[in-house]
Amino acid sequence: GQSLEQPSEVTAVEGAIVQINCTYQTSGFYGLSWYQQHDGGAPTFLSYNALDGLEETGRFSSFLSRSDSYGYLLLQELQMKDSASYFCAVRDTYGSSYKLIFGSGTRLLVRP
Amino acid sequence: SAVISQKPSRDICQRGTSLTIQCQVDSQVTMMFWYRQQPGQSLTLIATANQGSEATYESGFVIDKFPISRPNLTFSTLTVSNMSPEDSSIYLCSVEDSRGDTQYFGPGTRLTVL
Repeated sequence: GQSLEQPSEVTAVEGAIVQINCTYQTSGFYGLSWYQQHDGGAPTFLSYNALDGLEETGRFSSFLSRSDSYGYLLLQELQMKDSASYFCAVRDTYGSSYKLIFGSGTRLLVRP
Repeated sequence: SAVISQKPSRDICQRGTSLTIQCQVDSQVTMMFWYRQQPGQSLTLIATANQGSEATYESGFVIDKFPISRPNLTFSTLTVSNMSPEDSSIYLCSVEDSRGDTQYFGPGTRLTVL
């Protein structure tokens, strides 16, 4: 089967650093993505890792270890507006094309 | 990036009726995706729609229940047929960028079936 596991909830204080982990088991793998979704909003793309290592985009960084089937999203200098749900997603083969398989999501609550 | 609009943004429907959701993209794209998301839950792929061919459905979703049209490279519709309260959900369409790294999502259609 195919599965992605991530914590259901994480709480942190403003200004802190938080790491959201994602482990995956899929039939194919062509990259790990992270999406942010605020309540009532659409998912928005944060980052994509196709190769091992760390990708940094401003306050957000994403890491991938393909040998461990593991990745994480690191959020630094947390702000109240970062309170949202975060989904990891694996890009997997789909016939002759690709599709995204989403994890169950991690709800991040940032407290003052 | 791609800008995606969906109509309607929300609707309340009676059991047994059907609703067609429209998805419009501001650029031509090969593939469009339709997802369902229960409140507080993850996104579940319903089907992938390529222009000029029949949609490909995920396990658990069938064409009779969720017929999809893809008449051109910027537009698609998803119909939720013979609705029941279990179909109450948010339905999202999305497109992929040319590199396949990123998916852009529409604002979603919030459907409530009574």
